[in-house]
Amino acid sequence: DARVTQTPRHKVTEMGQEVTMRCQPILGHNTVFWYRQTMMQGLELLAYFRNRAPLDDSGMPKDRFSAEMPDATLATLKIQPSEPRDSAVYFCASGPGTAVMNTEAFFGQGTRLTVV
Amino acid sequence: GENVEQHPSTLSVQEGDSAVIKCTYSDSASNYFPWYKQELGKGPQLIIDIRSNVGEKKDQRIAVTLNKTAKHFSLHITETQPEDSAVYFCAAPYFGNEKLTFGTGTRLTIIP
Repeated sequence: DARVTQTPRHKVTEMGQEVTMRCQPILGHNTVFWYRQTMMQGLELLAYFRNRAPLDDSGMPKDRFSAEMPDATLATLKIQPSEPRDSAVYFCASGPGTAVMNTEAFFGQGTRLTVV
Repeated sequence: GENVEQHPSTLSVQEGDSAVIKCTYSDSASNYFPWYKQELGKGPQLIIDIRSNVGEKKDQRIAVTLNKTAKHFSLHITETQPEDSAVYFCAAPYFGNEKLTFGTGTRLTIIP
């Protein structure tokens, strides 16, 4: 069945290292979201793409985070350099982005990132 | 931006009883209100949503009601079962209905 696929599921890295998280949206969906989930902040929107173009990344720390969509089947979220405060679960979600259903979002299983 | 408040933060109910979770939102232009269920170690799963042109929507044991005048919407789960135990999130869109702001979540525990 159609689902959003994220890799890796878990990542432990040392402070200062680069981290890349990948997402394969549901085929045919043209909207991709990146969320971060922590106990303190809950679900926070980091970035948002429509038809591979970044529409809003205001929730993302610009100095270390970057999000891209090299093609319609791949979205990436990079952190360089990583810091302990980046430890969280990162979710990718995709949506059909039609005029009627322009905010439906279907989530992947997430990447649990631990920065030590 | 949108401000979404969700209550209660935790809820315990006896198996078979009903559970109600409430959310309020601030953007009167919002017109789409989804509810998500998140089980341990998994991503949020869309379980039901409602659009502003209706006041109630039901899907088997779950229902959502919307009061646009008061700007609040609620999730109702009837005949609760142990598998309903999870964290539930409400959400509402902002920025021209393009993005979702999530509530802080309700941890629902069903007591056998």
